[in-house]
Amino acid sequence: DADVTQTPRNRITKTGKRIMLECSQTKGHDRMYWYRQDPGLGLRLIYYSFDVKDINKGEISDGYSVSRQAQAKFSLSLESAIPNQTALYFCATAEGGNYGTEAFFGQGTRLTVV
Amino acid sequence: RKEVEQDPGPFNVPEGATVAFNCTYSNSASQSFFWYRQDCRKEPKLLMSVYSSGNEDGRFTAQLNRASQYISLLIRDSKLSDSATYLCAVYNDYKLSFGAGTTVTVRA
Repeated sequence: DADVTQTPRNRITKTGKRIMLECSQTKGHDRMYWYRQDPGLGLRLIYYSFDVKDINKGEISDGYSVSRQAQAKFSLSLESAIPNQTALYFCATAEGGNYGTEAFFGQGTRLTVV
Repeated sequence: RKEVEQDPGPFNVPEGATVAFNCTYSNSASQSFFWYRQDCRKEPKLLMSVYSSGNEDGRFTAQLNRASQYISLLIRDSKLSDSATYLCAVYNDYKLSFGAGTTVTVRA
């Protein structure tokens, strides 16, 4: 089994619908991240969390919300999906500490909003 | 200005060639630097960390220039299997920020 698991792997949803993307990890890492990837724009940070009580906005948090239900689980919600949220979404985890360490990614969720 | 910027390429090189590209970062207080490899929109995977003194891993060499705020990646003796998108990543203020990626295609 993958250390970082994202569900669903693919999803097509309609404009205005609420959708939740889930991420779970077995690495025991404190830090978890949500990114979206669009062609030519690379990975852009949506939200990140250092522990269950610590949630931080990234560079493109508008239209998204997150929940850190446990150390191992970090969910991303689109409250009212719109077509420009069509993208590839990645969850990532990393150890804590003052200096960054290797981030481990889930396999991604390909989301299409029609 | 974006936190991390990369030359998008694409770099199209023959097998055996050397290819190098850079990544610039805007925050001089950035603490850690990495190169990730991404294949065909799959998940990124760590290629190597970048240390102040520069470091080498087989055919790959990474350099950090703090004065000019850039990191570089050099690939020697390119293989077909090196074809991928290379993402630089910079860690600061507890965030891990990525560049848009540099696409490398190695041709036979």
